[in-house]
Amino acid sequence: EAGVVQSPRYKIIEKKQPVAFWCNPISGHNTLYWYRQNLGQGPELLIRYENEEAVDDSQLPKDRFSAERLKGVDSTLKIQPAELGDSAVYLCASSPPTGAYEQYFGPGTRLTVT
Amino acid sequence: AQSVAQPEDQVNVAEGNPLTVKCTYSVSGNPYLFWYVQYPNRGLQFLLKYITGDNLVKGSYGFEAEFNKSQTSFHLKKPSALVSDSALYFCAVRDPNSGYSTLTFGKGTMLLVSP
Repeated sequence: EAGVVQSPRYKIIEKKQPVAFWCNPISGHNTLYWYRQNLGQGPELLIRYENEEAVDDSQLPKDRFSAERLKGVDSTLKIQPAELGDSAVYLCASSPPTGAYEQYFGPGTRLTVT
Repeated sequence: AQSVAQPEDQVNVAEGNPLTVKCTYSVSGNPYLFWYVQYPNRGLQFLLKYITGDNLVKGSYGFEAEFNKSQTSFHLKKPSALVSDSALYFCAVRDPNSGYSTLTFGKGTMLLVSP
């Protein structure tokens, strides 16, 4: 079974530029999460999708961050404009609709804003 | 609100010795508890979970964890450490009464196993 796929793996941009991250969850997983992991910290949830509906986006900085999950499969997280403080690893995770409670994580995108 | 504390930034152990990585939690109800491991430049990998039942749960790569409700702890253990166990370990908690699937993670503990 293929795992969660994320791209790009690394991204370096200048501040005020836009950036987008893409995630393809495990097949059949209807729940998708975006996390941000700052250096030396655990992941923090940005947004959670149930199918194509964003059901928890309370921690998403909506002035500059946006996300979408068209057709309830792939998802894109966008930052516009990026700030120096956005430098972090952005992790995507997915989980199945029933049973197991754990989440399966992709390798992440390491963003550096200069 | 739910929270997780991992009191040690780093744990050092010699190969072949037992290891313990500590985790304490705070939730309003009965918790769902998880351990994840993160290798350099990799995403988090699931190790084990406690949902209900036996307080001692076994997971991947020979790891186990013991749920202690009175001490609100969920320490990760392994009888004999390997150099390849060196990685960053995260404890996470979910409050099932919250109605959401949100996991709250600790800040992580770096495990270093020396040959």
